Parts: sequence; structure tokens; C-alpha cells
Amino acid sequence: AQTVTQSQPEMSVQEAETVTLSCTYDTSESDYYLFWYKQPPSRQMILVIRQEAYKQQNATENRFSVNFQKAAKSFSLKISDSQLGDAAMYFCAPTHARLSGNTPLVFGKGTRLSVIA
Amino acid sequence: DAGITQSPRHKVTETGTPVTLRCHQTENHRYMYWYRQDPGHGLRLIHYSYGVKDTDKGEVSDGYSVSRSKTEDFLLTLESATSSQTSVYFCAISVAGAGQPQHFGDGTRLSIL
Repeated sequence: AQTVTQSQPEMSVQEAETVTLSCTYDTSESDYYLFWYKQPPSRQMILVIRQEAYKQQNATENRFSVNFQKAAKSFSLKISDSQLGDAAMYFCAPTHARLSGNTPLVFGKGTRLSVIA
Repeated sequence: DAGITQSPRHKVTETGTPVTLRCHQTENHRYMYWYRQDPGHGLRLIHYSYGVKDTDKGEVSDGYSVSRSKTEDFLLTLESATSSQTSVYFCAISVAGAGQPQHFGDGTRLSIL
């Protein structure tokens, strides 16, 4: 079974600065996908970014990028030019790639990010 | 936003009563999921469905059952609610295909007194 560790329960960042949220996971699979989701106070779960494990290139989505280290089983999220709207709970979630069909996500416990004006 | 509607959005009920939560989608996605979210635990999978009448258990399935008689609806039932099932419940959907992201509903806050 997969396990996911987000070692920083809470973090804070100054507006316009950069912050990195860490995530490590344990899996015996060689092919999988990794996601970061954001949950603002509204409680919505919002997809931030997706990474394919077979790709060496790190995914980027505007101000959000990942540092994917497959050998270390590490998948950190970097937020550049932090904005007040980035304040939220962030969840790391890997999922296996199976020919038999989709597999559910396994979520970490989350990191609560505060943005200071 | 993905067309996912969870109902009810909030519910308060008593221990021992049956409760059914509904997830309705307008996207015709094959996969549907039920998660619960509790403080300190992130989201944990209860059950999921990979097609009409095809379901499988997740990590925390005890005390829950599901049904999917139509592509668009996925029901989660607590046969006899307990206080430990007080939680926020999320439904998610995804298209078929490895690595497809899941899209979530707005959640149902369920309180069992």
C-alpha cells in the first residue's frame, strides 16, 4: 500500500515570496502519477498540478511547479510570487497507473499554508 | 467546474439512523469515488465505482455501503450512523484512463449526535 508523508503541518510565506511544500511517498510501483490539490477555506478541492512518474521533466502550471525526484520518492510543490489567494490546505496525492483502470488517490495529511500580507 | 452535485450539503442526524448521501454528475465520467475528510487524516477513500453496478471498497469502508444504478448517480449509505462517522464527505469523478485527475464535489458535512 502507498503511504504519503507531508512533514510540514503548517507553513507561512510572505506575499510575493516563494515557498516549497514537501511530500514524500512510498510505493513499489514503477509507473504512477502524482497530484497536488489545494483546499481553500471554501472547502473545495482544486487540482493544482499533475506529474507523470515516467517523465523526467518537472511539471509547471503558471506560478506552481514541482520538484520530482523519483529515486528519492519526493514530490515537492513550489509556489512562486505567493498571493493571498494561495492560502489554503495543500494535499499531495499519488496514484498508481494500471492497465486495468483508474486507481484511487492516496492523500497525505496536508500542509496548511498561510500567506502574510 | 466539473458538473458534480452532492446532496445534502449539510445534515445533522442521530446515532442509529440510516443516512444516504447522493453524488450526481453531468459529465458521464466512468469513475466515481467517495472520500471522508477528518482533521489530521487528509482524505480517505471509502468506496469507489468503475461503472454501473461495479464498486470496490476503499481504506475505510466499514459501516458504509454504496450503489450505482446509473452512470450519473453514486449513493453512499450509512446503514446505522455512529458518532465516529461524523465527517465531511467528498464525492469525486474521473474519466477512464491512467493518471486522469479526479474532480471533486463541494462536500457534505454530516454530524451524527
